[in-house]
Amino acid sequence: AQKVTQAQTEISVVEKEDVTLDCVYETRDTTYYLFWYKQPPSGELVFLIRRNSFDEQNEISGRYSWNFQKSTSSFNFTITASQVVDSAVYFCALSEAGGNNDMRFGAGTRLTVKP
Amino acid sequence: NAGVTQTPKFRILKIGQSMTLQCTQDMNHNYMYWYRQDPGMGLKLIYYSVGAGITDKGEVPNGYNVSRSTTEDFPLRLELAAPSQTSVYFCASSDPWDRGRYEQYFGPGTRLTVT
Repeated sequence: AQKVTQAQTEISVVEKEDVTLDCVYETRDTTYYLFWYKQPPSGELVFLIRRNSFDEQNEISGRYSWNFQKSTSSFNFTITASQVVDSAVYFCALSEAGGNNDMRFGAGTRLTVKP
Repeated sequence: NAGVTQTPKFRILKIGQSMTLQCTQDMNHNYMYWYRQDPGMGLKLIYYSVGAGITDKGEVPNGYNVSRSTTEDFPLRLELAAPSQTSVYFCASSDPWDRGRYEQYFGPGTRLTVT
C-alpha cells in the first residue's frame, strides 16, 4: 500500500530564510512517481514537480530545489530565500506505476513566510 | 485550453438533499478523478475513471456515485447529503500515456457545505 507522510504540519519562517519541507513515502512498487503541489490561499492546486523513481537526480528550478533519496524514501523540497508569496500549503504525493495513476497525498505542510 | 473546469464553485445543501458536481476537461485526457479535501487535511480519492464507460471506487466512495459517458465529462453525484460530506471537492485529469506525464491537473474546486 502506498503512503505519504509529511511530518511538519506547519512551518513559519521570516522572509529570505531557507526552508525545507520533508516528505517520506512508502510503496511496494519499484516504479513510481513523486509529486509536489502548492495550494495557495486561493485554494487551487498548482503542480510543481514530478520525479520518476528511476531518476534520482536532484532538481533545481529557480529558488526551488528537490532532493530525492531512494535509500531513505524521501523527497524533500527546499525553498531558498523564501518570499511572502511562497506562503501556502504544500502537498507531497505518490503514484504507483502499477496502479491507475491515482495519487496518494500527504496531509500537507502549511508554510507561512513573514515579512 | 480551459483545462479542468468545475461547477458550481460553492453550494450549501440541506441534509438529505441531492446534487451533482460537474467536471469537464478539454485536454482529451483519458483518466479523471474526484477527490475531497477536508479542512486541514490532504486529498482523498473518491472515484476515478480510466476512460469513457469505466469507473471505479477510490478510498472514500460511500455516499457518492459517478458516471463517465464521454471523455470530457465526469460528474459526481451526492445522494442524501450528510454533514460529513462538507468538504472541498476537486476534480482532476491526467494522461499517463502522454509522454509519461503522470501529473494530474486539477480544477478550481467546489466548496460544499451540508447543514
